[in-house]
Amino acid sequence: AQSVTQLDSQVPVFEEAPVELRCNYSSSVSVYLFWYVQYPNQGLQLLLKYLSGSTLVKGINGFEAEFNKSQTSFHLRKPSVHISDTAEYFCAVALYNQGGKLIFGQGTELSVKP
Amino acid sequence: DAGVIQSPRHEVTEMGQEVTLRCKPISGHNSLFWYRQTMMRGLELLIYFNNNVPIDDSGMPEDRFSAKMPNASFSTLKIQPSEPRDSAVYFCASSFRPGPQETQYFGPGTRLLVL
Repeated sequence: AQSVTQLDSQVPVFEEAPVELRCNYSSSVSVYLFWYVQYPNQGLQLLLKYLSGSTLVKGINGFEAEFNKSQTSFHLRKPSVHISDTAEYFCAVALYNQGGKLIFGQGTELSVKP
Repeated sequence: DAGVIQSPRHEVTEMGQEVTLRCKPISGHNSLFWYRQTMMRGLELLIYFNNNVPIDDSGMPEDRFSAKMPNASFSTLKIQPSEPRDSAVYFCASSFRPGPQETQYFGPGTRLLVL
């Protein structure tokens, strides 16, 4: 069975510090990888996605993620966070042969403190 | 541009009542998804449609749940009868094309509380 594990449920950081949110997945078939962000009381918004090609993917708001096939990981990074980055972040996979079904991780709550 | 529209935004009902959640996808989008978000189970896909046809409803928890998409601009998720364990945030999402590589655009969600 396919699964997504986000290794940290909560990540507190200070403003302007770098951050890494970790995501590992398990799948027997090829996958596409996504990071979504959910601000309080809102729906999810796509940050970035990996489909193919370069393993380093750049997204909105200065975020980037690196796909590592051997480690089945897709960690999200930002070199300098802002207060406005406080939100919940979800890693998700879509199996190449199962339509648009997204399998989400449990989420990581990023809290940026002044 | 209008995003995905969901109504109502909040719903409080009593156990045993029928609940209907509504979704209007982004105009021109051909795939529609219903998700449920709870603390215990996280975000899980309930059902999705391509071109108004249900493709995968394996996530629908039981017969009390049903979903329809009578046309390209409207979908409903119905719970009858509702139970307290159905309390959750229900999200609707749409994508331009069918396919796993497509970006899904989420609505703001309906927060359901069943007493």
